[in-house]
Amino acid sequence: AIQMTQSPSSLSASVGDRVTITCRASQDIRNDLSWYQQKPGKAPRVLIYAASSLQNGVPLRFSGSGSGSDFTLSISSLQPEDFATYYCLQDFSYPRTFGQGTKVEIK
Amino acid sequence: QVQLVESGGGVVQPGGSLRLSCAASGFTFSNYGMNWVRQAPGKGLEWVSFIQFDGTTEYYGASVKGRFTISRDNSKNTLYLQMNSLRTEDAAVYFCVKDWDDFWRGPAPSNGLDYWGQGTLVTVSS
Repeated sequence: AIQMTQSPSSLSASVGDRVTITCRASQDIRNDLSWYQQKPGKAPRVLIYAASSLQNGVPLRFSGSGSGSDFTLSISSLQPEDFATYYCLQDFSYPRTFGQGTKVEIK
Repeated sequence: QVQLVESGGGVVQPGGSLRLSCAASGFTFSNYGMNWVRQAPGKGLEWVSFIQFDGTTEYYGASVKGRFTISRDNSKNTLYLQMNSLRTEDAAVYFCVKDWDDFWRGPAPSNGLDYWGQGTLVTVSS
């Protein structure tokens, strides 16, 4: 199975900061990667698909980039509602595999 | 609007069985592949299983293969997960999740998972 490694596992940031989360695949997965946001007690919601395409309704401060084995989720100006845990998911092959998550906390 | 409502969770002893259901509405259920994803308490997300829109192809994660069976009834707009030989490590919230693309045939997954249910809690304890 393809291993997905996210970094960092957690970070502290302030409102207005730029935040970057990295996801690395154990092999080339082209651009077959999606990103999810999960708040405590809630189901995840998709932010980005195909590595860089923004899901409808997701604020433009979110962006995704990368291809091959290295990917990035960026939040250009962190807002109070963005404090959550973020996961990457490889959509290249079964079994699908998630990264271990990155918790974004208030500084 | 798309709605996915899971049910069937509860407390079961190790070695026991449980069947989860997911009632789907707000989209043409028979056109989309469906997944189960789980999350153990305080842990990350783990993809469990997929079934193709027409029910002819299934995939499983290594940790559940041979013990869990995914199925669907397109006439009832319902997804199922039969869980046998349950272990303590199967305890989790189980989410029913819709695949992104309609009429998607493998072997590769579609472009992500676009709608999630709220989940049903499975507890495995003696």
